[in-house]
Amino acid sequence: DAGITQSPRHKVTETGTPVTLRCHQTENHRYMYWYRQDPGHGLRLIHYSYGVKDTDKGEVSDGYSVSRSKTEDFLLTLESATSSQTSVYFCAISVGGQGDGYTFGSGTRLTVV
Amino acid sequence: DAKTTQPPSMDCAEGRAANLPCNHSTISGNEYVYWYRQIHSQGPQYIIHGLKNNETNEMASLIITEDRKSSTLILPHATLRDTAVYYCIVDSGSARQLTFGSGTQLTVLP
Repeated sequence: DAGITQSPRHKVTETGTPVTLRCHQTENHRYMYWYRQDPGHGLRLIHYSYGVKDTDKGEVSDGYSVSRSKTEDFLLTLESATSSQTSVYFCAISVGGQGDGYTFGSGTRLTVV
Repeated sequence: DAKTTQPPSMDCAEGRAANLPCNHSTISGNEYVYWYRQIHSQGPQYIIHGLKNNETNEMASLIITEDRKSSTLILPHATLRDTAVYYCIVDSGSARQLTFGSGTQLTVLP
């Protein structure tokens, strides 16, 4: 989607290694989110940010950390990847947190072997 | 935030109207109804939202019952490209995050 990019698009990593996914926006939106999507579970919120250095946990935050040192970048880190973290990860941005303004990225497919 | 109930799947003939129902019987007065869709492997896409009144935009119409306990998303002339999972979400905005349920898999048939 225009204004939001995720990198990498695909990654295969080994169990126990650290992994960082990047979400970059050019819209200057205040809110940024990380979701994961697994078959049978739909989209689940991992962490979100409501400003630079302001973050909060979502429904499935265990095993993940985030950082937002600049408005445009929101990083998701798996400190020690596990096979249960194999998933598709989506980043989203929002102007004011209201539900109508969400724009999602194209996703990152992460495989932990 | 209120929970929603949607049928897991629906079919619709190409060119016909697709009517996707959503029940949200515990919705509170300040909660909006939002619809998003997710086409295979892509990120979800915003469609439409409403509070009390019916809404229409270039993509769809949203009909909300007077008691606000249910709503219907209408795609007036469904095409094959409308095949997707459609999510109905109710949210007040106070939590600053959207919670997605299981959605309805709409399949548009040629």
